Amino acid sequence: DQQVKQNSPSLSVQEGRISILNCDYTNSMFDYFLWYKKYPAEGPTFLISISSIKDKNEDGRFTVFLNKSAKHLSLHIVPSQPGDSAVYFCAASGAGGTSYGKLTFGQGTILTVHP
Amino acid sequence: EPEVTQTPSHQVTQMGQEVILRCVPISNHLYFYWYRQILGQKVEFLVSFYNNEISEKSEIFDDQFSVERPDGSNFTLKIRSTKLEDSAMYFCASSYGTLGNTIYFGEGSWLTVV
Repeated sequence: DQQVKQNSPSLSVQEGRISILNCDYTNSMFDYFLWYKKYPAEGPTFLISISSIKDKNEDGRFTVFLNKSAKHLSLHIVPSQPGDSAVYFCAASGAGGTSYGKLTFGQGTILTVHP
Repeated sequence: EPEVTQTPSHQVTQMGQEVILRCVPISNHLYFYWYRQILGQKVEFLVSFYNNEISEKSEIFDDQFSVERPDGSNFTLKIRSTKLEDSAMYFCASSYGTLGNTIYFGEGSWLTVV
């Protein structure tokens, strides 16, 4: 199932710089997108989401951009901190109703922020 | 902050045995889910549950799986006869509503079938 793809398995960034994590999707029915952060042996922790009616959503250091025509979204973390080091998952879901909770996840990108 | 709690954190079981994984969703949430992640693979949707019935299930969720909300607080996943390939981290999740509502995940229950 390759409906949601995170093509970069890992990303290494210097503390204070911007981290940009990318995600592509193929299913045009997806209209709600979420980013989760995950540490080993823990559950995914919600970071930020965006609805398909928007192209940007910002929450503190985290901003998600959505390009519907390109079926692409990205998560920007500015400034990056060592505590941001984790696996980041992009997830997508369809319209409301029963399909909402059926999240389709990407493979994840391991972010390492160096002090 | 409210959280989804899961027990056990780790269970080892013999092939063919029944396993019940337990979850306490966030108290005012109405929608409940199970996901799993096999080591090295993606997090995969198993089932969603609302109003005491299954809303949607994936192909993985076959007849050996069942879910139940036995009381007002617990949400369980039962695997009737475990197979080696059921070894995975199982995540319970919940949300208050549907579109626009965040889905919160528990810490996971690591199931090892031997």
